[in-house]
Amino acid sequence: AQKVTQAQTEISVVEKEDVTLDCVYETRDTTYYLFWYKQPPSGELVFLIRRNSFDEQNEISGRYSWNFQKSTSSFNFTITASQVVDSAVYFCALSEAETSGSRLTFGEGTQLTVNP
Amino acid sequence: DARVTQTPRHKVTEMGQEVTMRCQPILGHNTVFWYRQTMMQGLELLAYFRNRAPLDDSGMPKDRFSAEMPDATLATLKIQPSEPRDSAVYFCASGPPLSGGAVEQFFGPGTRLTVL
Repeated sequence: AQKVTQAQTEISVVEKEDVTLDCVYETRDTTYYLFWYKQPPSGELVFLIRRNSFDEQNEISGRYSWNFQKSTSSFNFTITASQVVDSAVYFCALSEAETSGSRLTFGEGTQLTVNP
Repeated sequence: DARVTQTPRHKVTEMGQEVTMRCQPILGHNTVFWYRQTMMQGLELLAYFRNRAPLDDSGMPKDRFSAEMPDATLATLKIQPSEPRDSAVYFCASGPPLSGGAVEQFFGPGTRLTVL
C-alpha cells in the first residue's frame, strides 16, 4: 500500500530563514509520481511541483527547491529566504500509476508559519 | 488562466437534507476527482471519473453519497441524507493524463459543508 509521511506537523521560522519540509513515501511501484501542494489560509490547494520516479534531478524554482532521493524514498522541499506569504500548510502526495491508477495519497501536511 | 470552479463555496444545512455540490473541470481535462478534507482524516479521495465514466468510488459511503458527470463540463457530488459527520471541505480536481496512467491534478477552491 502506498503511504506518505510528513513527520513535521508544524514548523515556525522567522522571515528570511531557510526551511526544509520533509516527505518520505512508501511504494512498491517502479513508476510513480510525487507532488507538492500548498494550502494557504484561503483554503485552496495550489499545485507546486510533480516529479516522476525516473527523474531524480533536483529542481529549483525561484526560492523553492526540491530534493528527490529514491535511495531514501524522500522528496524534500526547501524554501530559501522564507517570507510571510509562504505561511501555509504544505502537502506531499504520491500517485502510483501501476497499482492505484490516478489516486493521490496525501501526507498529513506540514503547517509552516513564517513570522516577520 | 484556466481554473476548476466549484459551487457553492459554502453550504450550511440541517441533518437529513440533500446536498448537491457542483464542479466545472478545466476545459480539456478528461479526469475529475472528488476529495474530502477533515481535520481527523486529512485529504481523502472519494471518487474519480475518466472521460465521464466512474473509475473508482471506493472511498465514498455508498448509502448516502453519489457522484456523477452529466457531461464533460459538470461533475456533481450529492449527499442524501446529510449527517453532521459529513461536515468537511469537499474539493474537486481535474487533470490531463500523465504517462503511465497517473494524472496531474488541479484543485478547485472547495465547498465548505456544515451539517447541523
